[in-house]
Amino acid sequence: GEDVEQSLFLSVREGDSSVINCTYTDSSSTYLYWYKQEPGAGLQLLTYIFSNMDMKQDQRLTVLLNKKDKHLSLRIADTQTGDSAIYFCAPKGGYSSASKIIFGSGTRLSIRP
Amino acid sequence: DADVTQTPRNRITKTGKRIMLECSQTKGHDRMYWYRQDPGLGLRLIYYSFDVKDINKGEISDGYSVSRQAQAKFSLSLESAIPNQTALYFCATSDLGPEGRETQYFGPGTRLLVL
Repeated sequence: GEDVEQSLFLSVREGDSSVINCTYTDSSSTYLYWYKQEPGAGLQLLTYIFSNMDMKQDQRLTVLLNKKDKHLSLRIADTQTGDSAIYFCAPKGGYSSASKIIFGSGTRLSIRP
Repeated sequence: DADVTQTPRNRITKTGKRIMLECSQTKGHDRMYWYRQDPGLGLRLIYYSFDVKDINKGEISDGYSVSRQAQAKFSLSLESAIPNQTALYFCATSDLGPEGRETQYFGPGTRLLVL
């Protein structure tokens, strides 16, 4: 089955860019999602990229996909204190209606003043 | 009102007790999921249901059971709770969009402590 790896922690200075990395194993992944979990809350969809794209930009967020290396990254520009959260990489394998979304361990982003 | 609600939000119970966690949704989605979250392990899928008559085991279903009472309701039971079931439990719903795109919507979570 799919294996999704993320580093557990990332600390950045306020105003810098944050880059959260993810590797996955299922080459048939179609949609690759990033979810955000703020303290005490459930997960919310942040952004996603379809597997036929290599980059997607959405305001301060940039998603890069390297299908050959099965590597996904999320870049947050001008990181702010409100970006403190856990970020989950979550690829979905295949087009089958039975395919499921698999969540990584999550990367806890903390912001230094 | 929240689209996906979970009750209770917090629960303390003792080893051996039976407990039920409930999930309701107003999104009209067919698909519902139960996950548990443990520090450093991310979300692990316990059970999922693609419609009212469909129940499937996830990667960690042992010690758990579910009931899909209606499209809007999906409950998770721990028949005989044990301390290593202490975790944060999330319910989620989703619907399949064009070309298989699927967005999951999560409830606020139930924090369970088994003593």
